[in-house]
This record gives sequence, structure tokens and C-alpha cells, in this order.
Amino acid sequence: KNEVEQSPQNLTAQEGEFITINCSYSVGISALHWLQQHPGGGIVSLFMLSSGKKKHGRLIATINIQEKHSSLHITASHPRDSAVYICAVNPWGGSQGNLIFGKGTKLSVKP
Amino acid sequence: NAGVTQTPKFQVLKTGQSMTLQCAQDMNHEYMSWYRQDPGMGLRLIHYSVGAGITDQGEVPNGYNVSRSTTEDFPLRLLSAAPSQTSVYFCASSLDRDEKLFFGSGTQLSVL
Repeated sequence: KNEVEQSPQNLTAQEGEFITINCSYSVGISALHWLQQHPGGGIVSLFMLSSGKKKHGRLIATINIQEKHSSLHITASHPRDSAVYICAVNPWGGSQGNLIFGKGTKLSVKP
Repeated sequence: NAGVTQTPKFQVLKTGQSMTLQCAQDMNHEYMSWYRQDPGMGLRLIHYSVGAGITDQGEVPNGYNVSRSTTEDFPLRLLSAAPSQTSVYFCASSLDRDEKLFFGSGTQLSVL
């Protein structure tokens, strides 16, 4: 059983669409990370959340600790947003060694 | 700041060879870790360190060795490479446990 589940696994959108990627987890956490990985590229941290909502440009991340759920929204999507988006959680009481990763959501934005 | 510097970007080894993947950060981060990324598996932790002189095993440590003699450097050693170690490797660091993660650019390793 995966402790971090992302949905959808794959997502294709048209340029300009509003996109939502979901992350559900089954353990108590102290923080949740959203990461972005472009094809053949490195991994970049988008957000680190422990509560509420964060916004950076066209990206918005929310977390509901009680429901153990987080969403990543992309407004006015663009082909350069095409990437794999990865959710990762820090369980309570563990060290960084306990970071649990989702398998990622592959997003493709068509012009 | 250069961030997290990881070398090499590509490497091809023969079975049984040894090598070291280098990882250095200039942000004075205490937490450093090594992950491997395989298709369909997501990122898996190999080894991590919470400070100089302190290391611990992750989910998939067999066949790998690490040391942390300085805050800046966290090399990953493959002792005797096997085809199962063909993967993309990432080094990461953070200031503290619940802080933003910074990743190196990755190493694509093939073991023949």
C-alpha cells in the first residue's frame, strides 16, 4: 500500500487550462513538498507546506491536514509547465530519512 | 551560491567496478541525502546525513557507502557495481528537516 498517492498519474491539458493535481497521504506529517521535474532534467522544489495555502506566480498549493490531502493548482497553463510533479511528505517524528514520495503526475500541456 | 553540485552527469561502468558520485553544497545545510530514481518506482532513499559525522541508511542502502566528513560534502560510493544499480541518482540537501529541498542535477549511471 502506497502511503502517498497522487492523482491523476497522467494529465494532458490544452494551453490556458486550469490544472489540479492531487496528493493524499495516510500518515501524520510535519510538512509536505511539491517538486517539479522536467523531462531529462533535475528536480526543483516548488513548495513546502505545513498548513494552509501558498502561491507563487501561477502555481498554488493547498493542504488540508485533517483530511490528509494536498492539491497543486496551475492557472493559465503553458507548454513549459509540462513536467512530472511529485508530492513528498515528512512523517511526524522521523528524520529526513523518512521522507515518503509519491510516484508523480506527468503533465503535458499542448499549445 | 552554486547550490547543490553533483558530478558526474553521466557514467558508464562495467560490473564489478567501483566509483564515487560527488555531491557538494555551499548553503551550510545540515541535511543531505542520496536518492535513486527508477521508472515507475519514484524516488527512493539510499543514505542520508543529518550533519557532519552522522549518516544513516535509507530504503535501499545495499551496495552503497557514504561518509560525511564535512558539512559541504556527501559522496556516494558504489563498492562493486552491478547492473541493478543502473539508475538516475540525485543528491539533495536542506537546512533542516522541514525546510525546502535543493537537488543536484542528477547522475545517469549505466552498469554493463
